[in-house]
Amino acid sequence: KAGVTQTPRYLIKTRGQQVTLSCSPISGHRSVSWYQQTPGQGLQFLFEYFSETQRNKGNFPGRFSGRQFSNSRSEMNVSTLELGDSALYLCASSLSDSTYEQYFGPGTRLTVT
Amino acid sequence: GQNIDQPTEMTATEGAIVQINCTYQTSGFNGLFWYQQHAGEAPTFLSYNVLDGLEEKGRFSSFLSRSKGYSYLLLKELQMKDSASYLCAVRDLDSSYKLIFGSGTRLLVRP
Repeated sequence: KAGVTQTPRYLIKTRGQQVTLSCSPISGHRSVSWYQQTPGQGLQFLFEYFSETQRNKGNFPGRFSGRQFSNSRSEMNVSTLELGDSALYLCASSLSDSTYEQYFGPGTRLTVT
Repeated sequence: GQNIDQPTEMTATEGAIVQINCTYQTSGFNGLFWYQQHAGEAPTFLSYNVLDGLEEKGRFSSFLSRSKGYSYLLLKELQMKDSASYLCAVRDLDSSYKLIFGSGTRLLVRP
């Protein structure tokens, strides 16, 4: 069974631009969560989607948004990029909203210059 | 509020035992997870505790005390490949099962 895949793996953008990251969960998994990981802040929860609905949201500004499609694939968008948005963005999938084990993708390394 | 504390770094010797502690404060505890993350890689699931006590899985064990807001991950017979960051995460019932992660403990295993 294929694992969680994320594209692109690496991305360089400039301040003010916007970016879209993609996550394909493990086949059959319906829940997708997004996290931002930085050396200073650790792993921080962005949002969770289940059956195309946002079920949970972390404490990030409105520039961060996401969506989930009917095939459970998810996208995350960051508008008006800031230098502080440079981070590793991880997505994790699980079977359902009551499943306790999450499987992480390899992440997208975003650098904002 | 929510708060999770873990030591920043630990060093241990190959073949030894190491215990990584995690203390937490959440308003609606609904389970505690341990993840392992090697440098440059994604976190991988190690263990899950929701009831008090010890869960053993091979060389790794995880303990939980809900009354003390405390957990530890015990790694036995340390191997060089165990050098990694270990992340403690708490599922918060009051936030609809949102996972709150600690900053992680970087473990260095020396020969």
